[in-house]
Amino acid sequence: GDSVTQMEGPVTLSEEAFLTINCTYTATGYPSLFWYVQYPGEGLQLLLKATKADDKGSNKGFEATYRKETTSFHLEKGSVQVSDSAVYFCALRTNFGNEKLTFGTGTRLTIIP
Amino acid sequence: DSGVTQTPKHLITATGQRVTLRCSPRSGDLSVYWYQQSLDQGLQFLIQYYNGEERAKGNILERFSAQQFPDLHSELNLSSLELGDSALYFCASSPGTGGVDTQYFGPGTRLTVL
Repeated sequence: GDSVTQMEGPVTLSEEAFLTINCTYTATGYPSLFWYVQYPGEGLQLLLKATKADDKGSNKGFEATYRKETTSFHLEKGSVQVSDSAVYFCALRTNFGNEKLTFGTGTRLTIIP
Repeated sequence: DSGVTQTPKHLITATGQRVTLRCSPRSGDLSVYWYQQSLDQGLQFLIQYYNGEERAKGNILERFSAQQFPDLHSELNLSSLELGDSALYFCASSPGTGGVDTQYFGPGTRLTVL
């Protein structure tokens, strides 16, 4: 079945550091890929998405590229801020059949000033 | 603000009781999804409705049921509650049923079973 494997957390970085959160997936067909972010005490917000191979999703300085050959969708940001502290979820959704989102376990990110 | 609303925000109840969680999707969205977020299971898909009809089922217990009404709001009913049902329950909506549709999440209902 479909699955998403995320980098284990928690991750602690200093402000302005470079961020990478690894995400790999297993799916039948050609899924759409998503990164959602959950700030403390809040629901999930879509951060970015990519719907086909080689697409790059980007938003708020975050980027992720859909790599079909390595079945990966790693999240990157060049210079993190304290306000980026949150839990990040990688997710996939297949384009046929069951349209549910399959989530990774989440990676808690803490940015220290 | 995603445009998806959920009520109540918090719910505290006792084992064996029954509760109803409510979700209003974004204007124009026909699909509603329910997810459960717990410490041990992570984020799990429960069930999807599209335009009033059940479309897909995930890891939803038989004690749980849901429905989508003609005005497209949805309710998740949880009965014979157990301590392990304590979790955050999220509702999400999307315009249709396509795999490329983005699902927008509500703020969640935190259920505590004592």
